[in-house]
Amino acid sequence: DTGVSQNPRHKITKRGQNVTFRCDPISEHNRLYWYRQTLGQGPEFLTYFQNEAQLEKSRLLSDRFSAERPKGSFSTLEIQRTEQGDSAMYLCASSPQTGGNTEAFFGQGTRLTVV
Amino acid sequence: AQSVTQPDIHITVSEGASLELRCNYSYGATPYLFWYVQSPGQGLQLLLKYFSGDTLVQGIKGFEAEFKRSQSSFNLRKPSVHWSDAAEYFCAVGRSNYQLIWGAGTKLIIKP
Repeated sequence: DTGVSQNPRHKITKRGQNVTFRCDPISEHNRLYWYRQTLGQGPEFLTYFQNEAQLEKSRLLSDRFSAERPKGSFSTLEIQRTEQGDSAMYLCASSPQTGGNTEAFFGQGTRLTVV
Repeated sequence: AQSVTQPDIHITVSEGASLELRCNYSYGATPYLFWYVQSPGQGLQLLLKYFSGDTLVQGIKGFEAEFKRSQSSFNLRKPSVHWSDAAEYFCAVGRSNYQLIWGAGTKLIIKP
């Protein structure tokens, strides 16, 4: 399967715990995006990497959130001291670097539930 | 303010009937326009996109959309829906993938 892969698919955690999600993009794609989607809403942009450089961060990405893409391949999104409001679907997408108007390919997402 | 409105939260259509999903946007300049579909347990999949040129855009799975600048709309259509089209549909606008503004989605229910 050469699509975008996200792990885990589901995560239940207690409030205050840290969680980390992983995204493996399509191998030849050097752009990677993280989004958050809550029930009944469309995705909200969180952050964007081009290769290993984090080029854009949304105001939604509080200090408790950190994303990395150390070798320009897979990426991780960590949430520290989780809160119930962090419960959402976290989506990863990737695209090739051919200008700004290219299709982003999405993974199936990681659903986080904070109890 | 930039925004995307999908006025219908749910739409129910009989199998074989035609479909139109509405999308209106507010944006400073003419944005790029997208429709994505999200099926249960699946990732978002691009149906079609408009960047410039012909305002009637053909996409995958028999979908098309028409950009109407005067109405700031980009409605999605399909002449005959299939049960497999049941999913949630999202309209998005913007100038790049990381600057997309998304609608809240329209859930399509297909009646047998």
